[in-house]
Amino acid sequence: DTGVSQDPRHKITKRGQNVTFRCDPISEHNRLYWYRQTLGQGPEFLTYFQNEAQLEKSRLLSDRFSAERPKGSFSTLEIQRTEQGDSAMYLCASSLASRRNHEQYFGPGTRLTVT
Amino acid sequence: AQTVTQSQPEMSVQEAETVTLSCTYDTSESDYYLFWYKQPPSRQMILVIRQEAYKQQNATENRFSVNFQKAAKSFSLKISDSQLGDAAMYFCACYYGGATNKLIFGTGTLLAVQP
Repeated sequence: DTGVSQDPRHKITKRGQNVTFRCDPISEHNRLYWYRQTLGQGPEFLTYFQNEAQLEKSRLLSDRFSAERPKGSFSTLEIQRTEQGDSAMYLCASSLASRRNHEQYFGPGTRLTVT
Repeated sequence: AQTVTQSQPEMSVQEAETVTLSCTYDTSESDYYLFWYKQPPSRQMILVIRQEAYKQQNATENRFSVNFQKAAKSFSLKISDSQLGDAAMYFCACYYGGATNKLIFGTGTLLAVQP
């Protein structure tokens, strides 16, 4: 069990650029979640996948955001035409749907700074 | 709306002493799970303890225990014999399941441990 990994750990981009983040969940976990965390706040849910199906999206996820999990393994989160308000920590988590305890295991996050 | 409230932005405790962090939540769901997560500075979120709403017995994990008051919708975390390594941001979170499969987080409590 290598844990949830995220890449890159830090990203600095200029406003208007596109960025893509990757998340690799714990290998046997079939659920994958994306959260956004701004300074001094708790994480806020963005979207989640069960296997390759995206089952829920938050209203926070504007049409500039898109997430995929093409083969039910790793996931990518893309932000198009970044804005300064997109600056945040983007957290990925995974869980096993069959486990009733619903524990989610988090990755280290990708810190995005939009200048 | 389902909400999680942490009313203590910051707390401080002396090493080896006991501290209690407060959390309240609001839901009309009957099946839910409550969690405390720890987020050390610049490090990833770690699950500290879990409580199933259907269980009356309070969960314990070594020096960490909860006081789950279902009728009052209260879920506090007690840390006994505090250690310097306990210094972190602590988030209370609720997983509601059912139609939604996401964690709702509080705003966090920053715990300082004084030597």
